[in-house]
Amino acid sequence: EVQLVQSGTEVKKPGATVKISCKVSGYTFTDYYIHWVQQAPGKGLEWMGLVDPEDGDTLYAEKFQGRVTITADTSTDTAYMELSSLRSGDTAVYYCATDSPTPTNGVLHHYWGQGTLVTVSS
Amino acid sequence: EIVLTQSPATLSLSPGERATLSCRASQSTSNFLAWYQQKPGQAPRLLIYDVSNRATGIPARFSGSGSGTDFTLTISSLEPEDFAVYYCQQRSTFTFGPGTKVDIK
Repeated sequence: EVQLVQSGTEVKKPGATVKISCKVSGYTFTDYYIHWVQQAPGKGLEWMGLVDPEDGDTLYAEKFQGRVTITADTSTDTAYMELSSLRSGDTAVYYCATDSPTPTNGVLHHYWGQGTLVTVSS
Repeated sequence: EIVLTQSPATLSLSPGERATLSCRASQSTSNFLAWYQQKPGQAPRLLIYDVSNRATGIPARFSGSGSGTDFTLTISSLEPEDFAVYYCQQRSTFTFGPGTKVDIK
């Protein structure tokens, strides 16, 4: 069974940095990208970026460029998303997700973590 | 950058009715268009990928259609558990539309 298990709720002060983990199991970690998605309270889904666990290559959304760092640790099958210079507008649930461009044997590899709430407040 | 717009923002329907949700892309998505359902407190759930392919375990009442820049999600007969927010997504960039809320009339 494929699982993406994220770390727990975080409360941070403005200007701080948060690092969220996403531990995967049930498939070969290096086979598929890991994406991170932000969802502010009552708002929609916003893609932040991705990491290719095979080689560590990353791609970031322009909105988060310079503040977000996404990494992958193949020794623990865990991806991380670090967001710096936090502000109140970063209060949100953050999701990791894994996705393949095409199905394999008629099945699409597509799974999400449970989400991690980050609250930024002084 | 491809921008997705969804309409309507809110759709008020009764159980048993047909729901038709629209997603328009600012440029061709090469058919890498997906639809998600999200309920409060839950992660998004993939319904449809590549325009018209149902994801594993998704009931047949959900169907997707369209091409190029105009896409539609149809729920043939709304069940009580279908009242939720629906997002379209361009899969190659993981970009989402703003969502359509389907609520009970």
